Amino acid sequence: AQSVTQPDIHITVSEGASLELRCNYSYGATPYLFWYVQSPGQGLQLLLKYFSGDTLVQGIKGFEAEFKRSQSSFNLRKPSVHWSDAAEYFCAVGPSNDYKLSFGAGTTVTVRA
Amino acid sequence: DGGITQSPKYLFRKEGQNVTLSCEQNLNHDAMYWYRQDPGQGLRLIYYSQIVNDFQKGDIAEGYSVSREKKESFPLTVTSAQKNPTAFYLCASSEGSLRLSTDTQYFGPGTRLTVL
Repeated sequence: AQSVTQPDIHITVSEGASLELRCNYSYGATPYLFWYVQSPGQGLQLLLKYFSGDTLVQGIKGFEAEFKRSQSSFNLRKPSVHWSDAAEYFCAVGPSNDYKLSFGAGTTVTVRA
Repeated sequence: DGGITQSPKYLFRKEGQNVTLSCEQNLNHDAMYWYRQDPGQGLRLIYYSQIVNDFQKGDIAEGYSVSREKKESFPLTVTSAQKNPTAFYLCASSEGSLRLSTDTQYFGPGTRLTVL
């Protein structure tokens, strides 16, 4: 079975600084990877996804993520954080033959002025 | 606008009562899902449905029941058998393509259930 680890529970970053959120997965075959963002009390919004091809994926709101098979990672990055990026971020992984997504526990991002 | 609606946003129930959470989508998606979210944990899959009149148990189905009588609706009932029902419940839907996991899941705004 697949699993996802987000090592950082909480990250605080200054507005305008860069942000990197870590995601490590465990899965035997090629995974399908997603990053979602959740504002407080809201549902999840898809930021980006990776299925195949170019390992650097561009998403919405200026986010990008890089798939590194050798490190089993799919880290999310943003070059310059805005106060509106304060939210909880979830990495998810799915296999190719099942509907089931496995979600990480999430990373909460706080943006300070 | 197309999307997923969940109602109500907040729900309070007494212990021992069954309660039904609503989920409706107008995206013409075949597949629908229910997740439970607890603080400090990721989302856990309760049930999912690939097509009308069919549904499958997820990882934590005990104490929950669902129905899928219409394509656009997938209500979740939290029964009195669910030992710890207080949580945030999220409904999602996806097109239901043949490549199942490449299906992108779109989420509703959630229902916060509190059992007193």
